[in-house]
Amino acid sequence: QKEVEQNSGPLSVPEGAIASLNCTYSDRGSQSFFWYRQYSGKSPELIMFIYSNGDKEDGRFTAQLNKASQYVSLLIRDSQPSDSATYLCAVNGGDSGGGADGLTFGKGTHLIIQP
Amino acid sequence: DTEVTQTPKHLVMGMTNKKSLKCEQHMGHRAMYWYKQKAKKPPELMFVYSYEKLSINESVPSRFSPECPNSSLLNLHLHALQPEDSALYLCASSQESGRGGDTQYFGPGTRLTVL
Repeated sequence: QKEVEQNSGPLSVPEGAIASLNCTYSDRGSQSFFWYRQYSGKSPELIMFIYSNGDKEDGRFTAQLNKASQYVSLLIRDSQPSDSATYLCAVNGGDSGGGADGLTFGKGTHLIIQP
Repeated sequence: DTEVTQTPKHLVMGMTNKKSLKCEQHMGHRAMYWYKQKAKKPPELMFVYSYEKLSINESVPSRFSPECPNSSLLNLHLHALQPEDSALYLCASSQESGRGGDTQYFGPGTRLTVL
């Protein structure tokens, strides 16, 4: 049984600061890791994906993966009020035998950027 | 283009009704997914189709019946639903590269209310 853990928050960050979101996962065989942003009443929107240990940067977003510690994080630099949303960590792969595999989501972290 | 479309956006149905949800993608993706999301909860996987064949059924009750008529279309047929089935139903698609780690893109969802 795969499990993905996130602090549900709310996490409150001042505008312009760095928001740091964390996630741990239980299945050591997990292959791929995703961060989705979800506004209230909307569907999840892909922010970042990461497959390899280390950092991956895309604009104001940096995803970090440490497979030894089974830990994924998302940093949001220069946080804006429009970044206020729920951030879902998701993992897949592992026991799928290499075929299409559904995502296992964490419960999400509610992020609030204070103007 | 990373667009997945879903119709209808909203659906209200009685417990004796039969209705269908439709999902379409034109990205050439070969894997398609149905998820269910209850309020304040993360999405939960229901079904996975890979190359138009059902590959994963997460023990979903038979009142939900998926169908994949072709590689671009995914339907979810609903019959004799219960009020607790009210939720946001999300469709997603991915490349299906065979690594078990493809990025999934979500449609806007269908908000279902069962009376």
